[in-house]
Amino acid sequence: AQRVTQPEKLLSVFKGAPVELKCNYSYSGSPELFWYVQYSRQRLQLLLRHISRESIKGFTADLNKGETSFHLKKPFAQEEDSAMYYCALGGLRGGKLIFGQGTELSVKP
Amino acid sequence: NAGVMQNPRHLVRRRGQEARLRCSPMKGHSHVYWYRQLPEEGLKFMVYLQKENIIDESGMPKERFSAEFPKEGPSILRIQQVVRGDSAAYFCASSTGTDLNEQFFGPGTRLTVL
Repeated sequence: AQRVTQPEKLLSVFKGAPVELKCNYSYSGSPELFWYVQYSRQRLQLLLRHISRESIKGFTADLNKGETSFHLKKPFAQEEDSAMYYCALGGLRGGKLIFGQGTELSVKP
Repeated sequence: NAGVMQNPRHLVRRRGQEARLRCSPMKGHSHVYWYRQLPEEGLKFMVYLQKENIIDESGMPKERFSAEFPKEGPSILRIQQVVRGDSAAYFCASSTGTDLNEQFFGPGTRLTVL
């Protein structure tokens, strides 16, 4: 069965500290992984996807097929990074996305 | 481009009533997805539609829920005879269907069933 797991419900760090939001997936096919972010009072928006290999707002994520992980990392967290982060699995029939439960990132000054 | 529009943003219904949620996709997008987010949970896929066609409804509850995306007008998610367990945030997303899985989300409709 297809599944996405984000083990941390809440992650709290201080400004300038490194941050890693964990995401593990379960899928027997060829996965497409995404990170979506939802800032306070805003809609869900795409942060990055593994096929583009981009760094957005200083965030990166590497797909590790051996460990079935797609962890989101940033070397120096900023207060404006505080938001809900959702990992999502795509590449499924019809284009639907399977979301993890989300991790709330709180960056303290 | 105003982005994906959903209305109403908040909807309150009593048990047994009907709820109608509307989604207008981004201009040029012909693919619409509905997701539901129950309290303390992630978004869960419900249904995928293209104009006048339901492509995948594998996430839809078998009863009381239906969706449509007519040739003209918004996509509608209809919930008949609502129960308290239907209280959730319902999100719509749209895509062109060509840019692999890039879905653009609306602000959501928060349904509260009293």
